[in-house]
Amino acid sequence: DTEVTQTPKHLVMGMTNKKSLKCEQHMGHRAMYWYKQKAKKPPELMFVYSYEKLSINESVPSRFSPECPNSSLLNLHLHALQPEDSALYLCASSQGFQGASGANVLTFGAGSRLTVL
Amino acid sequence: ELKVEQNPLFLSMQEGKNYTIYCNYSTTSDRLYWYRQDPGKSLESLFVLLSNGAVKQEGRLMASLDTKARLSTLHITAAVHDLSATYFCAVDNNFGNEKLTFGTGTRLTIIP
Repeated sequence: DTEVTQTPKHLVMGMTNKKSLKCEQHMGHRAMYWYKQKAKKPPELMFVYSYEKLSINESVPSRFSPECPNSSLLNLHLHALQPEDSALYLCASSQGFQGASGANVLTFGAGSRLTVL
Repeated sequence: ELKVEQNPLFLSMQEGKNYTIYCNYSTTSDRLYWYRQDPGKSLESLFVLLSNGAVKQEGRLMASLDTKARLSTLHITAAVHDLSATYFCAVDNNFGNEKLTFGTGTRLTIIP
């Protein structure tokens, strides 16, 4: 199984709502990532979890709250979002730099397209 | 702060032609990646370049890395319509963590 599965594919929420994005991988990868991608822009790193611990937080507003319940699951909890948070949210996973090659190749999920009204 | 720039940002080319996309980055790094993204879709890994002078080829695409010049190129040979997509290069920050910085992207359109 070489997939990263994200749910939901589409989400529309109001600024007062609380919702969550979910991500799952069964490749035994040790690192999991959240990226945000606006239209016609590159993905921007939000959070990295390594061995289920938050290792990188790119100064993301607190209305985004990541959670890693176990090594296969990664959630992104959303609360009091703004319309400018509307974007494609991409989850990814990787082995990290443990491999003999030293490469850290990310496998991306299909994304969750979020619209904040 | 690591900056990764690509040019051109947009490229429209005819089928059968050759062209090169350039990726420049601002700080020392030995690891560079190329990804492809189709419209509305996720990113797919194309190439991993791990050392100065590395060259990788797959079909009509060939990628190379010059770490001294902080430059990678993605060369397209005899373009076909199926190669229409946005191509991103991405660079590790060489600090041994998992932070990957993506380039600005090149939107490639192949015209029949």
